[in-house]
Amino acid sequence: DVKVTQSSRYLVKRTGEKVFLECVQDMDHENMFWYRQDPGLGLRLIYFSYDVKMKEKGDIPEGYSVSREKKERFSLILESASTNQTSMYLCASSVPGTYNSPLHFGNGTRLTVT
Amino acid sequence: AQKITQTQPGMFVQEKEAVTLDCTYDTSDPSYGLFWYKQPSSGEMIFLIYQGSYDQQNATEGRYSLNFQKARKSANLVISASQLGDSAMYFCAMRGPKDYKLSFGAGTTVTVRA
Repeated sequence: DVKVTQSSRYLVKRTGEKVFLECVQDMDHENMFWYRQDPGLGLRLIYFSYDVKMKEKGDIPEGYSVSREKKERFSLILESASTNQTSMYLCASSVPGTYNSPLHFGNGTRLTVT
Repeated sequence: AQKITQTQPGMFVQEKEAVTLDCTYDTSDPSYGLFWYKQPSSGEMIFLIYQGSYDQQNATEGRYSLNFQKARKSANLVISASQLGDSAMYFCAMRGPKDYKLSFGAGTTVTVRA
């Protein structure tokens, strides 16, 4: 089974802090994703990466950056955390190619910015 | 841009009964994939079922079946013989032929009553 591991289940940070959310997958997947989940809005894509050091903006990239130095690891960075970034963050991975491959998700990180 | 609509924010169902979760989508691509995920209160996203736009038959996976009506752009999930463990949020998602990402609906919360 694919395992996607997010380093923290819960995080509490202060406004203005730099925040790192880490994600590791063990299935050698090329594609990795960071989504944000908010009530009533579903999941919205922040960034994704289709290869090491390659990244593309998703639907809501403002206030975020990402890093992918190794194939198995994809980090989401909040450069200066703000209260409107309080949310559930979900990392996912998938194989490349056809549109029938599902995303495999981690357990999520619930971030609170105070 | 792809748009996924789930019009039912929440539903109650009696144990052992069937429940249908609505999902409509909007795309101009003839090729696409449709996915359903389950998210229990613990937060992980569990892949349930997939339907390709060219699949002739409706997808089934155990107690889950997908009622795919291509002309109506509808992909409803049917859960038969509901169990208490089916209580969760359910998301409909879609990927187009050139997309890396999945686009998600807002989700439907299902509560199964004993």
